[in-house]
Amino acid sequence: GQNIDQPTEMTATEGAIVQINCTYQTSGFNGLFWYQQHAGEAPTFLSYNVLDGLEEKGRFSSFLSRSKGYSYLLLKELQMKDSASYLCAVRRDSNYQLIWGAGTKLIIKP
Amino acid sequence: GAVVSQHPSRVICKSGTSVKIECRSLDFQATTMFWYRQFPKQSLMLMATSNEGSKATYEQGVEKDKFLINHASLTLSTLTVTSAHPEDSSFYICSARGGFSSTEAFFGQGTRLTVV
Repeated sequence: GQNIDQPTEMTATEGAIVQINCTYQTSGFNGLFWYQQHAGEAPTFLSYNVLDGLEEKGRFSSFLSRSKGYSYLLLKELQMKDSASYLCAVRRDSNYQLIWGAGTKLIIKP
Repeated sequence: GAVVSQHPSRVICKSGTSVKIECRSLDFQATTMFWYRQFPKQSLMLMATSNEGSKATYEQGVEKDKFLINHASLTLSTLTVTSAHPEDSSFYICSARGGFSSTEAFFGQGTRLTVV
């Protein structure tokens, strides 16, 4: 079957760093996405990894290890506005259908 | 990035009526559009995939006669929830791919449907 696992909820302090992990088991792999979703809103794109390694984009970085079926999203210099759910999604093939994790709710405290 | 506009953002309807949700790609041609449903505190569940000019492909367990999808042009797809019931109350989101992007699909703003 298809399975994507993320922690349900995490708490971090403003200004700190947090790492959100995602593990996946899918029949095929053609890229992994991270999206941010604020309550009641649609997801917004954060990052896309298809090759192993770290992709850095400002305060956000995403890492992928295909052999381990593992990715993480690293958020630095946390701000209160980063409080949101972070969704990991895997694309299995050349079709653009995504398999979604349940999301990790990130709570930022002052 | 490309813009996908979804309308309406919120709708309340009576049980037994039908509701149409529109999804438009504003600055690119969307060859494929996806419709998702999301219940509170749950992940996005793909309902169907539609390609312009052809019938939608529905995911297992999704009633195609209840959730009618039309993708008549490269910029517009519609989802009609027919004979809506309270259990159909959910957050419906469309996404579209096409145009210059080779990786991400772009999301509409979502529609909060409440059936009373």
